[in-house]
Amino acid sequence: GAVVSQHPSWVICKSGTSVKIECRSLDFQATTMFWYRQFPKQSLMLMATSNEGSKATYEQGVEKDKFLINHASLTLSTLTVTSAHPEDSSFYICSARPPKGVNTEAFFGQGTRLTVV
Amino acid sequence: DQQVKQNSPSLSVQEGRISILNCDYTNSMFDYFLWYKKYPAEGPTFLISISSIKDKNEDGRFTVFLNKSAKHLSLHIVPSQPGDSAVYFCAASGNNQGGKLIFGQGTELSVKP
Repeated sequence: GAVVSQHPSWVICKSGTSVKIECRSLDFQATTMFWYRQFPKQSLMLMATSNEGSKATYEQGVEKDKFLINHASLTLSTLTVTSAHPEDSSFYICSARPPKGVNTEAFFGQGTRLTVV
Repeated sequence: DQQVKQNSPSLSVQEGRISILNCDYTNSMFDYFLWYKKYPAEGPTFLISISSIKDKNEDGRFTVFLNKSAKHLSLHIVPSQPGDSAVYFCAASGNNQGGKLIFGQGTELSVKP
């Protein structure tokens, strides 16, 4: 199947610093990518839709100034957690769907475990 | 507002038996449904999907059933194997939702030898 690669797989940062997470579609072009967040034992909560060449669309309750999304090319979207705090510690996952029709499966990156200390 | 619900947080099955995981949804605009398997600290892996124009889709040991009138779908795994032990997420999408997937809470399946 298609491959979506996410980097880094884990990161530890100090409170107040910013962290950037990259999501790449390796074998297809993705005009849209999606960022999810998962707390332990909970569901994957959609944070935002990353749109190539335009602003991201954020879900209700997600702070756009806190979670900056940039989708500068058809194969790369980045999520920057700005001024991170311990409550931002979570598992962040990106996904993309190959543009081969209306209904296609979404492929996910490996996820990034963020720990803010 | 939980649009996709998996009401069983866990399920334990004996190896060789059938595993049945259930999922309900509330949004009638959903027209595509997917099941994903997930291990801790990894991204979800796609298993099987079904379009709303069908009521069944089968792929090897995995079969997904869709009951649109009840807004219910289920994933059957038979025979279950210990390697199937993982968290299973049901997800849904609709044509009017820009391609995003809405996930259920997940069901942790444990297949015992």
